[in-house]
Amino acid sequence: ELKVEQNPLFLSMQEGKNYTIYCNYSTTSDRLYWYRQDPGKSLESLFVLLSNGAVKQEGRLMASLDTKARLSTLHITAAVHDLSATYFCAVVPDNTGNQFYFGTGTSLTVIP
Amino acid sequence: NAGVTQTPKFRVLKTGQSMTLLCAQDMNHEYMYWYRQDPGMGLRLIHYSVGEGTTAKGEVPDGYNVSRLKKQNFLLGLESAAPSQTSVYFCASSSESSGGPYEQYFGPGTRLTVT
Repeated sequence: ELKVEQNPLFLSMQEGKNYTIYCNYSTTSDRLYWYRQDPGKSLESLFVLLSNGAVKQEGRLMASLDTKARLSTLHITAAVHDLSATYFCAVVPDNTGNQFYFGTGTSLTVIP
Repeated sequence: NAGVTQTPKFRVLKTGQSMTLLCAQDMNHEYMYWYRQDPGMGLRLIHYSVGEGTTAKGEVPDGYNVSRLKKQNFLLGLESAAPSQTSVYFCASSSESSGGPYEQYFGPGTRLTVT
């Protein structure tokens, strides 16, 4: 059974602090995606990582992919309240062509 | 550009009724997807399409059918609704990159309740 596991599931952090969200997956894949979802809203694409060693940064968020370890990380630098949301990772396994499998999400709350 | 739109936004069905959800995109994307999201869970793929006239099953296809007669539209049908299909349904589309899907754009969602 294919698994996409995120940890932590819930994260409460103070403004200005740094933290990392982890996404582990149990299949071979070099396609990893990160999304943000605000409460009651749709999903917004944050990063698309398409190769081993890929690193992308946007503002206070940086995502990386290690396909050998089957691990992606989403690093938050100097958190601000606006980053409060649920973050999802998703993987497209090599043998399924185009099927996305999502993690259960990490609910992030940034407190002043 | 409207991006990805979904119709309707809300719907209440009785058990056994049927309905069709419509997804439309104006970005000329090849790939389109239907997901469901249940409370406290991530998204699960129902069906997807890699081009006009093609569809494929995702992770949870039972009880649903789809059609992609036009490139810009992807329809999701429920032939006989069940309470277990109460969920929020999201449509998404994406372009292609390196032989697979690139960035996904999501519609606003349809909240379906089956009583």
